[in-house]
Amino acid sequence: SQTIHQWPATLVQPVGSPLSLECTVEGTSNPNLYWYRQAAGRGLQLLFYSVGIGQISSEVPQNLSASRPQDRQFILSSKKLLLSDSSFYLCAWRPTGLPGGTEAFFGQGTRLTVV
Amino acid sequence: AQSVAQPEDQVNVAEGNPLTVKCTYSVSGNPYLFWYVQYPNRGLQFLLKYITGDNLVKGSYGFEAEFNKSQTSFHLKKPSALVSDSALYFCAVRDNTDKLIFGTGTRLQVFP
Repeated sequence: SQTIHQWPATLVQPVGSPLSLECTVEGTSNPNLYWYRQAAGRGLQLLFYSVGIGQISSEVPQNLSASRPQDRQFILSSKKLLLSDSSFYLCAWRPTGLPGGTEAFFGQGTRLTVV
Repeated sequence: AQSVAQPEDQVNVAEGNPLTVKCTYSVSGNPYLFWYVQYPNRGLQFLLKYITGDNLVKGSYGFEAEFNKSQTSFHLKKPSALVSDSALYFCAVRDNTDKLIFGTGTRLQVFP
């Protein structure tokens, strides 16, 4: 069966420090991968999505970047965190090679607090 | 570009009563529509989806949703609400691209 791992669960970082959040998927190949941000327990904002290794689509210009160095690994990064980067970050994956209506599956999220 | 609207920030309902959480969408072409639920500090859990076919789709935990193409709506329903249904509910849409867009969420509060 497929599983998604997202870590760490919580993170406290000082302003100006770098960030690296990692997401990996097991039990599938060539998944679509997504990073979302959720502020204050409300709506999900799509940050990045990827349809393959090295293929990243950015939805919102900001202080963050994403990379996909391996098929099932998706990394969210920042060189210098801002206070406004404090949020709940969610990774998700969706199977490909199936009829288009497949749903996405989410990790448990990372609560990032920038201090 | 596709979009999703959830017009209600919060829905309050008494336990045992029917509930409806509203969702409207905008997408070019045929939509793929989804409902998810989120409990505090957790990821999203998939409830149900509409791809094609019967306009009434049934999902997990007794939830169902009705697709209405003319009104571009996909409202979530349950005949009898439980206190344990209290959570944050998200509607999402995907067109024939790979982008999956979510609404702003509706908080469902079921009172005993």
